[in-house]
Amino acid sequence: GEDVEQSLFLSVREGDSSVINCTYTDSSSTYLYWYKQEPGAGLQLLTYIFSNMDMKQDQRLTVLLNKKDKHLSLRIADTQTGDSAIYFCAESFGNEKLTFGTGTRLTIIP
Amino acid sequence: EPEVTQTPSHQVTQMGQEVILRCVPISNHLYFYWYRQILGQKVEFLVSFYNNEISEKSEIFDDQFSVERPDGSNFTLKIRSTKLEDSAMYFCAGGGDKYEKLFFGSGTQLSVL
Repeated sequence: GEDVEQSLFLSVREGDSSVINCTYTDSSSTYLYWYKQEPGAGLQLLTYIFSNMDMKQDQRLTVLLNKKDKHLSLRIADTQTGDSAIYFCAESFGNEKLTFGTGTRLTIIP
Repeated sequence: EPEVTQTPSHQVTQMGQEVILRCVPISNHLYFYWYRQILGQKVEFLVSFYNNEISEKSEIFDDQFSVERPDGSNFTLKIRSTKLEDSAMYFCAGGGDKYEKLFFGSGTQLSVL
């Protein structure tokens, strides 16, 4: 079955770049997503990438997809205190259900 | 940008009571979903709904759960007799065409006492 894994914690100094990594097992995924969840809040779609793309950039966010290694990463440039949150990667197959990773808690060090 | 709206944001109920969680999807969406997140755990798929019927459901979605799109705009999740372990954040999501990305609501935090 599908499985999506992430490291649980990441600490980054304010102003540095954060790189959050994700590995997945099912290569037939159509979309891969990054969601942000702030304390007590819902899931905010940050960005997504179609599976036939290698990279997508959206302002401070860069998504890299390595299909061969089944590895997805999210890079946040110039990390700010407001970036503190849990970041989930997820994959979907057509418009079928999403499978979420465990989430990575990003902590910003002043 | 259009949003998926969920109400209420918080619901507290007694064990054994029925609850209905409500969602208003984006108007041109065709595929609808419920997910839940127990505190500290992964976000889990519950059910998908298309063309007025369930298209897939997980093992969690047992006979105590049901979904409905009663009036073409609202999408509801009903838990008939709540259990303590149903306490979780419940998210509604929707999508348009088959390969379009999903949009999530902000969730309903359900607490079963």
